Amino acid sequence: DTAVSQTPKYLVTQMGNDKSIKCEQNLGHDTMYWYKQDSKKFLKIMFSYNNKELIINETVPNRFSPKSPDKAHLNLHINSLELGDSAVYFCASSLNSGEQFFGPGTRLTVL
Amino acid sequence: KQEVTQIPAALSVPEGENLVLNCSFTDSAIYNLQWFRQDPGKGLTSLLLIQSSQREQTSGRLNASLDKSSGRSTLYIAASQPGDSATYLCAVRRIQGAQKLVFGQGTRLTINP
Repeated sequence: DTAVSQTPKYLVTQMGNDKSIKCEQNLGHDTMYWYKQDSKKFLKIMFSYNNKELIINETVPNRFSPKSPDKAHLNLHINSLELGDSAVYFCASSLNSGEQFFGPGTRLTVL
Repeated sequence: KQEVTQIPAALSVPEGENLVLNCSFTDSAIYNLQWFRQDPGKGLTSLLLIQSSQREQTSGRLNASLDKSSGRSTLYIAASQPGDSATYLCAVRRIQGAQKLVFGQGTRLTINP
């Protein structure tokens, strides 16, 4: 009965590879988000989708491409991974501008 | 541009004490403010959400206050316990524009038995 789930929890890969992280929420929310938490633990928004439409696209390299097949899912695909992409990526969801609920995070390590 | 600051960066207190964590923000035009806790290696757990029209919210031993005009929020923890040890983050959502939360860098709280 997990509210916001992400897979995988850990991802270790080589530079230059392409990888995807999946996120699903079962809360009936209409808005989903991707955040990045860097090595200094600072959390910053990357993307947000509302009803499958992109509404936030921060200054993120276009190697990062979110995809929302439906309101309950928001996946993150990363092309040509770089060392600086190593971080913890969090998915979150909310109903409109209400309380945001976060997933457990995906720790990405690029070697 | 909204900036959120949390002071202190780290706090260590003995068990049983009441304590206050501080959060300040530069733009008072906020929609709401949310407090989270993050345990090491874990995700964020939402603690309290205060709407811009509210002055405070309470949940158990936690009480969060909001003073929009001065750009400040506090999280009060009563009768602290070792299980309260975690990093506490505040985040604000602006009224207009993108529906994103802007986070502070957190206060790492340690409660000593």
